[in-house]
Amino acid sequence: GAGVSQSPSNKVTEKGKDVELRCDPISGHTALYWYRQSLGQGLEFLIYFQGNSAPDKSGLPSDRFSAERTGGSVSTLTIQRTQQEDSAVYLCASSRELFSYNEQFFGPGTRLTVL
Amino acid sequence: GDSVTQMEGPVTLSEEAFLTINCTYTATGYPSLFWYVQYPGEGLQLLLKATKADDKGSNKGFEATYRKETTSFHLEKGSVQVSDSAVYFCALSEGSSASKIIFGSGTRLSIRP
Repeated sequence: GAGVSQSPSNKVTEKGKDVELRCDPISGHTALYWYRQSLGQGLEFLIYFQGNSAPDKSGLPSDRFSAERTGGSVSTLTIQRTQQEDSAVYLCASSRELFSYNEQFFGPGTRLTVL
Repeated sequence: GDSVTQMEGPVTLSEEAFLTINCTYTATGYPSLFWYVQYPGEGLQLLLKATKADDKGSNKGFEATYRKETTSFHLEKGSVQVSDSAVYFCALSEGSSASKIIFGSGTRLSIRP
């Protein structure tokens, strides 16, 4: 596709439920990133993938969060047993390669609301 | 660790005013520096970037110069328009094999007609 796409665009869930957020990066981009933007806050880095590998998972807020990437393309971010503090916009980005001068292209985000 | 500090908003200006949004950074290496913009209802997009000291990034009338001596990357525009109203994020990317972008907290800019 032309850009990074994310689904769903909005997700409302009840506390304690699991949710899956999906990211389709730009075709051919080897690096993929997940960020979280909480209301009134800046962007918080969560995790990155180089290909299908995520070497550093320390940015994930808790062990309820996990992410995977298959085929060097689509990635899913899973939040188990959601809590109200998980409510945020989850942003995915991709870049051609994992280098600082390569622009990261962002998707429109998934707005997650945990009731 | 590396960090980005930018001026707090909101910033409200009249159309055609001069804009400066300050940004300073802390980094152990030689980061690339970015300004991202988030227009109302839209996703985050890159506005401009600079990859080494003294580089000037520019786009849509905005400019920012990578100043290593002052560890700054201030965003400027000579004459703002209502359509520039958005949230602006200063950011850095660590080193030559960047695994993430570190963002500032964002500055909300509102331009009055």
